[in-house]
Amino acid sequence: DVQMTQSPSSLSASVGDRVTITCRASQSINSNLNWYQQKPGKAPKLLIYAASNLQSGVPSRFSGSGSGTDFTLTISSLQPEDFATYYCQQTYITPPGTFGQGTKVEIK
Amino acid sequence: EVQLVQSGAEVKKPGESLKISCKGSGYSFSTYWIGWVRQMSGTGLEWMGIIYPGDSDTRYSPSFQGQVTISVDKSINTAYLQWSSLKASDTAMYYCGRLPRGSNKYIDYWGQGTLVTVSS
Repeated sequence: DVQMTQSPSSLSASVGDRVTITCRASQSINSNLNWYQQKPGKAPKLLIYAASNLQSGVPSRFSGSGSGTDFTLTISSLQPEDFATYYCQQTYITPPGTFGQGTKVEIK
Repeated sequence: EVQLVQSGAEVKKPGESLKISCKGSGYSFSTYWIGWVRQMSGTGLEWMGIIYPGDSDTRYSPSFQGQVTISVDKSINTAYLQWSSLKASDTAMYYCGRLPRGSNKYIDYWGQGTLVTVSS
């Protein structure tokens, strides 16, 4: 299986901060990397697909970049509704479409 | 509007069988994959497997192969996840999701989740 490692596992940030989450794959996955947001008690929500494509309806403060093994999710100006857990997922080799362990973004 | 509506929470005993469902609406059900994802309490997401309703092509994660069965009834736009003999370790939230037909099988729409509790 392709292993996905996110960093950090958690972070504290203030409203308005720029936040960056990284995801590293154990082998090259081209651009087959997706990002999801999950709030407590809710289903995950797709934010970014194919490394850098913003899903319809997702605010433009979210962006993704990277290819190969190293990827980044950036929130340009953190909003109160962005406090959540973020997961990356590789879909280069499925099954399984391995998820990262998650990054929890908390209020400072 | 694309919707995936899952069946309600279940409480079962070890050794019992269970089948949970995921009904799609608002899109052409037969032309998108349906996938299942497990989330155990307080932990991350695990990709279990996917099924293509058009031809019932099914693919399992090695971790779940032989542990669960994924099926579909395209006549009623519904996919299923079933267990023949539950274990306490199957206690988790289970999500279904819609995946596009292309090579990048991300989940663009998710069901609300079905909580399965297995306890004696």
